[in-house]
Amino acid sequence: GQQLNQSPQSMFIQEGEDVSMNCTSSSIFNTWLWYKQEPGEGPVLLIALYKAGELTSNGRLTAQFGITRKDSFLNISASIPSDVGIYFCAGQPSNTGNQFYFGTGTSLTVIP
Amino acid sequence: NAGVMQNPRHLVRRRGQEARLRCSPMKGHSHVYWYRQLPEEGLKFMVYLQKENIIDESGMPKERFSAEFPKEGPSILRIQQVVRGDSAAYFCASARQGWTGELFFGEGSRLTVL
Repeated sequence: GQQLNQSPQSMFIQEGEDVSMNCTSSSIFNTWLWYKQEPGEGPVLLIALYKAGELTSNGRLTAQFGITRKDSFLNISASIPSDVGIYFCAGQPSNTGNQFYFGTGTSLTVIP
Repeated sequence: NAGVMQNPRHLVRRRGQEARLRCSPMKGHSHVYWYRQLPEEGLKFMVYLQKENIIDESGMPKERFSAEFPKEGPSILRIQQVVRGDSAAYFCASARQGWTGELFFGEGSRLTVL
């Protein structure tokens, strides 16, 4: 299957700091999605991106679809304790129909 | 407006038994995906179904695993003769016809094989 490299693997930050994480693929993607998962729960969709270069915000979260169509970025501004969780990127390759592939996740810990 | 519903949330089976996991997609959604997640790992694609059709099962083991999405009722992921390595969280996601490219997940079914 497709390989999605997500980094960093984990982050420990102080409350109020900004956070950046990214996801890269070995091939071109049509769609990028960003999810947050909390312990014992299913992933919750945060942001969906459909066009190369697209920049979309959802509150303090901003995500971008890379212009090469092989990467995506998620930024969280002014982090708060409830931002704690695992963030996953997911992408839909242009050559495999409707299947989505997921990154390995970025674990975020916010220290009050 | 219920989201994706999965049951059971937790299931314990002994080796050799069968596990059946059910998923009711969101109202109006006709695409269902099953993913498997091991502790501390990401989600691994297993199978993609539309009503009465398996579209892509490339991520599903060839033996002991099967999935269906009948015309009426929930999608079912069936694992026969479970082994300890099948212990994982199994997530279902759905998307609507007319494809917006967005997947919505259920809360998962956690299978423990003793």
